[in-house]
Amino acid sequence: DIQMTQSPSTLSASVGDRVTITCRASQSISGWLAWYQQKPGKAPKVLIYKASSLESGVPSRFSGSGSGTEFTLTISSLQPDDFATYYCQQYNSYPYTFGQGTKLEIK
Amino acid sequence: EVQLVESGGGLVQPGGSLRLSCAASGFTFSYYWMSWVRQAPGKGLEWVANIKQDGGEKYYVDSVKGRFTISRDNAKKSLYLQMNSLRADDTAVYYCAKSSTSWHFDSWGQGTLVTVSS
Repeated sequence: DIQMTQSPSTLSASVGDRVTITCRASQSISGWLAWYQQKPGKAPKVLIYKASSLESGVPSRFSGSGSGTEFTLTISSLQPDDFATYYCQQYNSYPYTFGQGTKLEIK
Repeated sequence: EVQLVESGGGLVQPGGSLRLSCAASGFTFSYYWMSWVRQAPGKGLEWVANIKQDGGEKYYVDSVKGRFTISRDNAKKSLYLQMNSLRADDTAVYYCAKSSTSWHFDSWGQGTLVTVSS
C-alpha cells in the first residue's frame, strides 16, 4: 500500500498568511493526487486534483504543485473560512489512501 | 445539482450485519465509478471500496475484504454497502463518494454513522 504522510499535523496561522502543507508518498504516484478540505461534522470537499488542477468553484488562493512523491498545497492569503482540516489522497493505485490530515488553526 | 444521500447506519452488535444505501440524483449515475469512504470518530479518512459503472469491477481495502460487498443498481440510481461480521473498528461515519472522470472524488454525501458495540 502507498503511505501518504502530511506535514505538519497542526498549523497555526493568521488571516492573510500564506501557508503551505506538504504531502509525501511512499512511492511515486505520478500526479494522481487530490487535496480535500473538511470542516467539523461535514463531508470533505475537493480543492485540487491531478496535483495542480483547481476544482471548479474553488477560490484561486488555493494552489497545488508537485509530482512523483512530494506535493504541496498552498493557500496564498488565509481567509476565515479556510480554517479546517486538509487531507491529501492518492488515486494512483489500490487501495486509495489518504494522508493523516493537517488541522489549520487560528493563531 | 449532484446529491448523494446515505442511509442505513445505526447501532449493531459485533458480528452483526448492516446494509448501507446511497441514493444519487442530479447526474447520470450509470456513467461514474462510485466509492465508499469512512471516517472513525476523531480520525482521518479511509477509502473502503469502489465499483465500476457496470458493476463489473470492484476493489476493497484489505481490512474489509471478505466481509463487505459493494454493489449498485443503476436503474434505481443507488449504491450499496453490505457489511457483515462487523467489528468495533468498523465504527465510523460512512460516506458515499462519486468519482469524477479525472478519478478524484468530486461529490460526497453527508455520511451515515455506523456504531459497532455491545
